[in-house]
Amino acid sequence: DTEVTQTPKHLVMGMTNKKSLKCEQHMGHRAMYWYKQKAKKPPELMFVYSYEKLSINESVPSRFSPECPNSSLLNLHLHALQPEDSALYLCASSQSYRRGTNIQYFGAGTRLSVL
Amino acid sequence: AQTVTQSQPEMSVQEAETVTLSCTYDTSENNYYLFWYKQPPSRQMILVIRQEAYKQQNATENRFSVNFQKAAKSFSLKISDSQLGDTAMYFCAFMKHTNNNAGNMLTFGGGTRLMVKP
Repeated sequence: DTEVTQTPKHLVMGMTNKKSLKCEQHMGHRAMYWYKQKAKKPPELMFVYSYEKLSINESVPSRFSPECPNSSLLNLHLHALQPEDSALYLCASSQSYRRGTNIQYFGAGTRLSVL
Repeated sequence: AQTVTQSQPEMSVQEAETVTLSCTYDTSENNYYLFWYKQPPSRQMILVIRQEAYKQQNATENRFSVNFQKAAKSFSLKISDSQLGDTAMYFCAFMKHTNNNAGNMLTFGGGTRLMVKP
């Protein structure tokens, strides 16, 4: 099973709302990632969690707040977003480097629209 | 820093024919990995093929194969017997080898939109 599940599939929010994106995997992976993808562009890395600790933050604005409650779950909390934050948000996971393959498996994404 | 370049923004191919997608990269690393990912209209990024830089043999996965030229820093993807389901955006990606637990960063190219025509 190489499934990464993201919910919701679609989200519309106002600039004053608070919402959360959820990502779940049950492959025993210890690294999880958030990417932002604008239309017709490649994904851009936002955050990396390794062993439930934030290891990489690619200078993402504080209105995006990641959380990793356990090794299977990754959240992205959204607050006071701007219309330019509208995008597809992808989650991915991979094994730790010690366990060999470094393939990242992606979820289907959450399509976010900020009004 | 690494860069990945896909020089073909769009391509089309007739069903059952063969098509080659180009990818070049720039790095000073010697130990790294290269990937091709496919993103159909359903949005999910799906791994097509993976190549380890230390391996001279080109990777193959069924109808998909790569031509890896390390000295030229080139990593093209060949799709044989193209099928309608191959219609998608294809991303070439680079990953540096690491010996830590910080996670592995992928650097993506700009993508090639492939249309398979019946």
